[in-house]
Amino acid sequence: QVQLRESGPGLVKPSETLSLTCFVSGDSITNYYWTWVRQPAGGGLEWVARFHASGTADYNPSLLSRVTVSVDTSNNQLSLKLTSVTAADTAVYFCAREVVVPGAYNYGMDVWGQGTTVTVSS
Amino acid sequence: DIQMTQSPSSVSASVGDRVTITCRASQASSRWLAWYQQKPGKAPRLLIYAVSSLQSGVPSRFSGSGSVTDFTLTISSLQPEDFATYYCQQATSFPLTFGGGTKVEIK
Repeated sequence: QVQLRESGPGLVKPSETLSLTCFVSGDSITNYYWTWVRQPAGGGLEWVARFHASGTADYNPSLLSRVTVSVDTSNNQLSLKLTSVTAADTAVYFCAREVVVPGAYNYGMDVWGQGTTVTVSS
Repeated sequence: DIQMTQSPSSVSASVGDRVTITCRASQASSRWLAWYQQKPGKAPRLLIYAVSSLQSGVPSRFSGSGSVTDFTLTISSLQPEDFATYYCQQATSFPLTFGGGTKVEIK
């Protein structure tokens, strides 16, 4: 059974870089696409990025200049970096497995981590 | 960007009620439309994918339908564990986008 667990600093100062990790257990990260989604307190869901271990990545244009995702296949974990953070980046960040073959099908985000809360404040 | 507009934003219902939630896309959307359920403090849970396919383990009282720009999630007989917020999500084009959510509350 695939399980995801996000890890992060909790508190980040404005203008600094946010770094998050998602640990994947129960399956190889090379078998699927992976997605980051964030949710401000009391707010809705915002898609951040989708990527594959092959190097394919797609980013939300609203964050494109600040976000980078990467995959560590040896440790079966995913990473998200968001630079120049502001209070608007305060949110719960989720990683999720997305069952998709681009151009063929998309069966949704079927496995989610519990989320990690990030607060941007000095 | 494809904007997803859900209605209503909230609904009060009783156990046993039939509940229908609508999601309208700002432009024609493919069949890659999903629905998620989220309870407070928890991650979203996939209910429906590809408009009408029921995710494994999801009760059959949940169903999805629709096409082009108008999509619907129906709960045929509301159960106590169904009180939650529901989101639609399109995967037709980037950026992937979610609806604003519909909160199903106890009447």
